[in-house]
Amino acid sequence: DTAVSQTPKYLVTQMGNDKSIKCEQNLGHDTMYWYKQDSKKFLKIMFSYNNKELIINETVPNRFSPKSPDKAHLNLHINSLELGDSAVYFCASSQAPGGMGEKLFFGSGTQLSVL
Amino acid sequence: RKEVEQDPGPFNVPEGATVAFNCTYSNSASQSFFWYRQDCRKEPKLLMSVYSSGNEDGRFTAQLNRASQYISLLIRDSKLSDSATYLCVVRTLTGANNLFFGTGTRLTVIP
Repeated sequence: DTAVSQTPKYLVTQMGNDKSIKCEQNLGHDTMYWYKQDSKKFLKIMFSYNNKELIINETVPNRFSPKSPDKAHLNLHINSLELGDSAVYFCASSQAPGGMGEKLFFGSGTQLSVL
Repeated sequence: RKEVEQDPGPFNVPEGATVAFNCTYSNSASQSFFWYRQDCRKEPKLLMSVYSSGNEDGRFTAQLNRASQYISLLIRDSKLSDSATYLCVVRTLTGANNLFFGTGTRLTVIP
């Protein structure tokens, strides 16, 4: 049973297109995240939702729009894709935000390549 | 200054060797510390939390030095399967975005 699942695993698209990545967790967690890992392997937080409420919105272009229909799902929509958006995007979840000793559970990642 | 800094490596060590990684953090208010492991083209997974008194899990030992603001990971008797990138993660209690990842240290264990 996959705890955090994200689709698609690979996404190859042209500049200027709009695409979405979906994420679902079956752990009953309240908090979900989107991270971006670039070619230098730096893992950077983009967004975090706690029980469908946006709590972290880092300096991310507004072409990126997260949506959380319920606390088990956090999707990421990207408009007008640019070459610099090419990266691996990881979804993650945790029991609650800001707690001591919180473990993050990551999805397997979506490799986005913008041509 | 970055919140968390690690030597990116790579560390290439023979099987059976002992290897240690350090990680420094800048925020003295940091409260929780972790080591995550990330295999090539895979997601990060929690390896171990780091407690104030230090802790050990099999061949892995984690230490915290609050005075000097660093944490360490020691791997004894390295196995080929230990080859991965080890991410240092630090959590503060200030702000909504309070979890910071290092860029990782890459380890390759050679037969």
